[in-house]
Amino acid sequence: SQTIHQWPATLVQPVGSPLSLECTVEGTSNPNLYWYRQAAGRGLQLLFYSVGIGQISSEVPQNLSASRPQDRQFILSSKKLLLSDSGFYLCAWSLRGGLDTQYFGPGTRLTVL
Amino acid sequence: AQTVTQSQPEMSVQEAETVTLSCTYDTSESDYYLFWYKQPPSRQMILVIRQEAYKQQNATENRFSVNFQKAAKSFSLKISDSQLGDAAMYFCAYVGGGSQGNLIFGKGTKLSVKP
Repeated sequence: SQTIHQWPATLVQPVGSPLSLECTVEGTSNPNLYWYRQAAGRGLQLLFYSVGIGQISSEVPQNLSASRPQDRQFILSSKKLLLSDSGFYLCAWSLRGGLDTQYFGPGTRLTVL
Repeated sequence: AQTVTQSQPEMSVQEAETVTLSCTYDTSESDYYLFWYKQPPSRQMILVIRQEAYKQQNATENRFSVNFQKAAKSFSLKISDSQLGDAAMYFCAYVGGGSQGNLIFGKGTKLSVKP
């Protein structure tokens, strides 16, 4: 069966510091991968998605970036964090893009101080 | 642009009773899927049920069922025999055939279950 991991689970970072969040999927090949952010008391917003190694699409312009160095690894990064980057970050995978079910990881709670 | 609206910020149900959560959506696409996700206090997003727009039959998963009214663009979730573990935030979500998987979420409904 497929499993999805995210780490760290919780992160507290100062403003202006770099960020690296990691997501890995097990039990499937060539998944579509997604990064979402959930601000306090709100639904999820898609940040990035990837259909393959090195292929990244951005949905929302911001100071975050994403990379996919391996088939089942998806990384969310920032060179300099802003206060507004605080939130809950969720990684998801699906077998196909478009009309398919997405399965979510446990998430990372990021607090920028 | 597609939108998803959940008009009930909070709902409450007595244990063992039935509750219905509402969701409406707006789209011009003919090919899409709809989902209900549950987010417990751990905050992991868990799939509850999926409905393909081309299917007329309402989806059912054990105690969870949907009332999919395509013409009215309505997609409600019914939870039967509510259990304490059902207490969570519930999100309605939409994905269209023209996207690469951009799930569009409603703002959620917080469900409380009273013993």
